[in-house]
Amino acid sequence: GAVVSQHPSWVICKSGTSVKIECRSLDFQATTMFWYRQFPKQSLMLMATSNEGSKATYEQGVEKDKFLINHASLTLSTLTVTSAHPEDSSFYICSARGASGLGETQYFGPGTRLLVL
Amino acid sequence: GQNIDQPTEMTATEGAIVQINCTYQTSGFNGLFWYQQHAGEAPTFLSYNVLDGLEEKGRFSSFLSRSKGYSYLLLKELQMKDSASYLCAVAAAAGNKLTFGGGTRVLVKP
Repeated sequence: GAVVSQHPSWVICKSGTSVKIECRSLDFQATTMFWYRQFPKQSLMLMATSNEGSKATYEQGVEKDKFLINHASLTLSTLTVTSAHPEDSSFYICSARGASGLGETQYFGPGTRLLVL
Repeated sequence: GQNIDQPTEMTATEGAIVQINCTYQTSGFNGLFWYQQHAGEAPTFLSYNVLDGLEEKGRFSSFLSRSKGYSYLLLKELQMKDSASYLCAVAAAAGNKLTFGGGTRVLVKP
């Protein structure tokens, strides 16, 4: 149980384009989903927290207009990187936390590697 | 604020035991997590401690002392596949986000 999927796993795009990444909880309802970014040899950096049906809460320094998050259902959250630039190239990972029964544990998706040329 | 410290790297021999320490200072506490992350992959859940003491799960054990703000992850009978980064993370409050330490890269040598 507690499986989280992400799509796509790899994205290569031109500078200036927008990229949408999907995060799905496959066998549980995720009341909260988190989006992280990870640069090589560094730890996870939380970008934003999203609760189903409400606006995402962004961490300090993360531009909400650049990283659009939508959590329209209890099993799906999307992150859209708008007008991507080479410095946005990174490993984007989502995690999901379910309702009671799974406690506080976050389960991670397999990640999406973004390369902006 | 939140502060979580763990060693950057550790090296150990196949079959041996390695202990990864994690110290934390947080404004609240609702549990400490250990995750394993292989290079280029997402973290996978290893353990969750919210009460003091030792939790054993196969070759991996995790210990917590809330009064000392201290945890460790113990890896026994090391295997080559255990070479990975191990991330310590703390939930400051119920329903709150996790704050991650910088991760400890463990290299298992034959």
